[in-house]
Amino acid sequence: GAGVSQSPRYKVAKRGQDVALRCDPISGHVSLFWYQQALGQGPEFLTYFQNEAQLDKSGLPSDRFFAERPEGSVSTLKIQRTQQEDSAVYLCASSWENYGYTFGSGTRLTVV
Amino acid sequence: KQEVTQIPAALSVPEGENLVLNCSFTDSAIYNLQWFRQDPGKGLTSLLLIQSSQREQTSGRLNASLDKSSGRSTLYIAASQPGDSATYLCAVVPGGYNKLIFGAGTRLAVHP
Repeated sequence: GAGVSQSPRYKVAKRGQDVALRCDPISGHVSLFWYQQALGQGPEFLTYFQNEAQLDKSGLPSDRFFAERPEGSVSTLKIQRTQQEDSAVYLCASSWENYGYTFGSGTRLTVV
Repeated sequence: KQEVTQIPAALSVPEGENLVLNCSFTDSAIYNLQWFRQDPGKGLTSLLLIQSSQREQTSGRLNASLDKSSGRSTLYIAASQPGDSATYLCAVVPGGYNKLIFGAGTRLAVHP
């Protein structure tokens, strides 16, 4: 596609529920990133893939967060046993080499 | 640890004014710096990318400068319009890493 596509657009989860967020990057983009953006703040790095390899997961806040990109294209960010502090917008971005990043519209997660 | 600060946090101006948004970063060892625009409830749109070897980039009414040695960048918006109202985010890619470190953003409101 022409841009980075994320789904769902909105997700409401009950505390303790598991959620899965999907990202379809731009075709041919080797690098894929996940960011978390709390209300009124800038995005914070979660994890980075180069093709199917997860090269940096230093930003994942706990072991409840897990990301995968098994075939080097679509990626899924999974959050287990969601907590209220997980409520945020989750942004996905892709890039080719280091020539700038293209972001998706994000998934707004609300944990109630 | 790289930290990015944006000043001011919020700005409200009448249409037609020329604006300067400021960004500072604590570690001058960066690969590039990027300015983004974020509209409410939307993802990030890339405005300008400045490689570490460059001093400025221009696109239409936007001009971004980079002074790597002093850890500063400015985004200049000429002849502001109500459609420029959004949050403007500055982000750096630290040298040796492939991830963006964001500031908290400047919320701009341009009123007719």
